[in-house]
Amino acid sequence: NAGVMQNPRHLVRRRGQEARLRCSPMKGHSHVYWYRQLPEEGLKFMVYLQKENIIDESGMPKERFSAEFPKEGPSILRIQQVVRGDSAAYFCASSLPGTGPYEQYFGPGTRLTVT
Amino acid sequence: QQPVQSPQAVILREGEDAVINCSSSKALYSVHWYRQKHGEAPVFLMILLKGGEQKGHEKISASFNEKKQQSSLYLTASQLSYSGTYFCGTEAYSYGGATNKLIFGTGTLLAVQP
Repeated sequence: NAGVMQNPRHLVRRRGQEARLRCSPMKGHSHVYWYRQLPEEGLKFMVYLQKENIIDESGMPKERFSAEFPKEGPSILRIQQVVRGDSAAYFCASSLPGTGPYEQYFGPGTRLTVT
Repeated sequence: QQPVQSPQAVILREGEDAVINCSSSKALYSVHWYRQKHGEAPVFLMILLKGGEQKGHEKISASFNEKKQQSSLYLTASQLSYSGTYFCGTEAYSYGGATNKLIFGTGTLLAVQP
């Protein structure tokens, strides 16, 4: 049973470009969460999605950031017009459907570097 | 508000014990514990629900005191493989039950030396 998959693992973007991060949850999981981790810091909640629904986006910056989890395909975290401060590791996690609480399983992360 | 973990860092020799604490200012529904090694993804250790339960996982166990809004992680007879940063993830209580939204603590760096 494959775990949570994220790609790309490393992404370099110049300031002003767009970054698209992909996350495929574990088989049978329909809840997806995105977290950001700055170097030497903890995990910051960004957004919680279910298929075709954003459940909680209270941790998402108001501008430039968006997330989706379509009926088919992976979840996408999109960052428009990236700035140096967006450089971080972005982790996706997934959990079982239904009411929890359920353990969240993390993917390997995408390390975004903005030059 | 981010849960506060203590200590911030601890160095152990193999075989020694350690306790990591996680304290929240909010009423909690559940507490999740994770370990993260440098450059890797966090790995799930255990989840505790409100009700003051205690759980064990090999030589790692945890308790959850919902009245004090605190959880503690106990590592006994530590091994080299226990090294890493430990995070608690707290889920605030809501009338609807689980929210599945985790707010992670400040982290505790654990280094186990031979």
